[in-house]
Amino acid sequence: DQQVKQNSPSLSVQEGRISILNCDYTNSMFDYFLWYKKYPAEGPTFLISISSIKDKNEDGRFTVFLNKSAKHLSLHIVPSQPGDSAVYFCAASRYNAGNMLTFGGGTRLMVKP
Amino acid sequence: NAGVTQTPKFQVLKTGQSMTLQCAQDMNHNSMYWYRQDPGMGLRLIYYSASEGTTDKGEVPNGYNVSRLNKREFSLRLESAAPSQTSVYFCASSSGSSTGELFFGEGSRLTVL
Repeated sequence: DQQVKQNSPSLSVQEGRISILNCDYTNSMFDYFLWYKKYPAEGPTFLISISSIKDKNEDGRFTVFLNKSAKHLSLHIVPSQPGDSAVYFCAASRYNAGNMLTFGGGTRLMVKP
Repeated sequence: NAGVTQTPKFQVLKTGQSMTLQCAQDMNHNSMYWYRQDPGMGLRLIYYSASEGTTDKGEVPNGYNVSRLNKREFSLRLESAAPSQTSVYFCASSSGSSTGELFFGEGSRLTVL
């Protein structure tokens, strides 16, 4: 049973528009949520995170929103750029659980020029 | 600054053969991890080592063994490879902070025929 799910395997967006990537989780014990970005033939790299005590975290063009009651988080990219084309993984962790991350299946974002 | 280095990057094995994936990090991190990535499944934790001298099973440990050789190095061994172990393997390390951020290597693509 997947505890972290990304229900959209792919997303296509026009350059300059907003990209919204969604993630749902089932385990209410998760304390921290992270987004990773992965280019082909490279390892995932950390993008942005949010603590469960917050509902929004912003870093430049990237904003993560957390809705704890719905067990849902989303990543907004505004404006989207062709270089944002990659696979995005949502991940969750629990404090004092050895920094083990539980990952979603990933969403492939394609930003068209 | 190399970060996390994995070898080999590519390997083809026949069913029943054995091999070891090597991983080294130069960030003085306490914790190290091995994940596998399969299409639609995201990254799943195989084994982790919270600190030098300790190892623990993750979500999918069957068919694998690990060794935390020292603080820098964490190897993953397949004793008798099976086609189900065809995957991309990622090593990661973490400072152990409560945020759970991991730093990943570039990955090792393994094919078992």
